[in-house]
Amino acid sequence: AQSVAQPEDQVNVAEGNPLTVKCTYSVSGNPYLFWYVQYPNRGLQFLLKYITGDNLVKGSYGFEAEFNKSQTSFHLKKPSALVSDSALYFCAVRDNDYKLSFGAGTTVTVRA
Amino acid sequence: GAGVSQSPSNKVTEKGKDVELRCDPISGHTALYWYRQRLGQGLEFLIYFQGNSAPDKSGLPSDRFSAERTGESVSTLTIQRTQQEDSAVYLCASSRVGGGGDTQYFGPGTRLTVL
Repeated sequence: AQSVAQPEDQVNVAEGNPLTVKCTYSVSGNPYLFWYVQYPNRGLQFLLKYITGDNLVKGSYGFEAEFNKSQTSFHLKKPSALVSDSALYFCAVRDNDYKLSFGAGTTVTVRA
Repeated sequence: GAGVSQSPSNKVTEKGKDVELRCDPISGHTALYWYRQRLGQGLEFLIYFQGNSAPDKSGLPSDRFSAERTGESVSTLTIQRTQQEDSAVYLCASSRVGGGGDTQYFGPGTRLTVL
């Protein structure tokens, strides 16, 4: 079985401050980890993924995520948040299966 | 190239009616997925196609739900005798081959409202 937990329903930060969105996962095999962002009334946009190799993964729009096997975490980060980063963020995991298991989502609000 | 497209973008129907939702995947993607997103919740997996074969239909909520896919192209999700609890956004995704580190790319979704 595979599952994802996003412990924070909401994250609020000021523009220019660092942004972190937390994600922990559970899989029986090797994890493939993904982050997606959803803007209002739009589908999910792919941000980045971890397959293997470097634990720090860089993605779109200045986002990055760090894979930590010992803590089973894959937190999303951005060094300097923008108001336009305000959206709903989903973490997802897959092991040897074809389907993704998604977290419940974290709403990010960046205030000017 | 073009992304995943879905139609209609919005559908309002009366309880008991049948609805058909359409998904056009990215050209060349062999894998196609349907998910459901209820208000304020995460994504719920419904069904997966590899080509026109659906190896796993276990996510379909009831026998009122069915889906088909023509070759490696269009897929339709049909909901018969709609109920109010079917109201949700239905998202389609496609990926190159399916599984592993393959990235799923999502369409904009169809918002279904059952009155």
